[in-house]
Amino acid sequence: QKEVEQDPGPLSVPEGAIVSLNCTYSNSAFQYFMWYRQYSRKGPELLMYTYSSGNKEDGRFTAQVDKSSKYISLFIRDSQPSDSATYLCAMLDSNYQLIWGAGTKLIIKP
Amino acid sequence: DTEVTQTPKHLVMGMTNKKSLKCEQHMGHRAMYWYKQKAKKPPELMFVYSYEKLSINESVPSRFSPECPNSSLLNLHLHALQPEDSALYLCASSQVGTASYEQYFGPGTRLTVT
Repeated sequence: QKEVEQDPGPLSVPEGAIVSLNCTYSNSAFQYFMWYRQYSRKGPELLMYTYSSGNKEDGRFTAQVDKSSKYISLFIRDSQPSDSATYLCAMLDSNYQLIWGAGTKLIIKP
Repeated sequence: DTEVTQTPKHLVMGMTNKKSLKCEQHMGHRAMYWYKQKAKKPPELMFVYSYEKLSINESVPSRFSPECPNSSLLNLHLHALQPEDSALYLCASSQVGTASYEQYFGPGTRLTVT
């Protein structure tokens, strides 16, 4: 079993929809959680960074962490075609190295 | 500014060539990283430098040789690569010893070994 599980998709939704992306993890010691967006053939771009449980909002993006369920989510409101990309969740291990999900490919249809 | 720059953007090299990848950041970060990413996979950690010293080498073959000349620069020297080394090579940086551990990535160098 992988330490971080993420559905690779693709996930296809119409423009304007609310998108929900999720990861589950097995190591209860994880405290720092990140979401990256990666366009094709580009480097990952940090979208959200959260510590421990709770919600964090930045514009159209909301990150949620539920440590009791070992489950994290990224919500995108009013999705745009420019949001089409691969979204990777990542968590810091005890050596402060990133443990990655597989990435979910998101397609927003105009 | 959260920018990490990498040069070159693209590189094609033969198996007998020697080339170098370069990375630069001006965020005052004291940890810098090299990752390798294959298509449809997450990045794989190769090397970590902390305060200009190599702290992690993830059993990377010796044909990859990292160098950290100062706190802003990171190089990856390549020699006698194999076609399976073709990938996107990513540089990242982060703070050390604070509560902000997020890593910022550069755009990557797309390497093709022929």
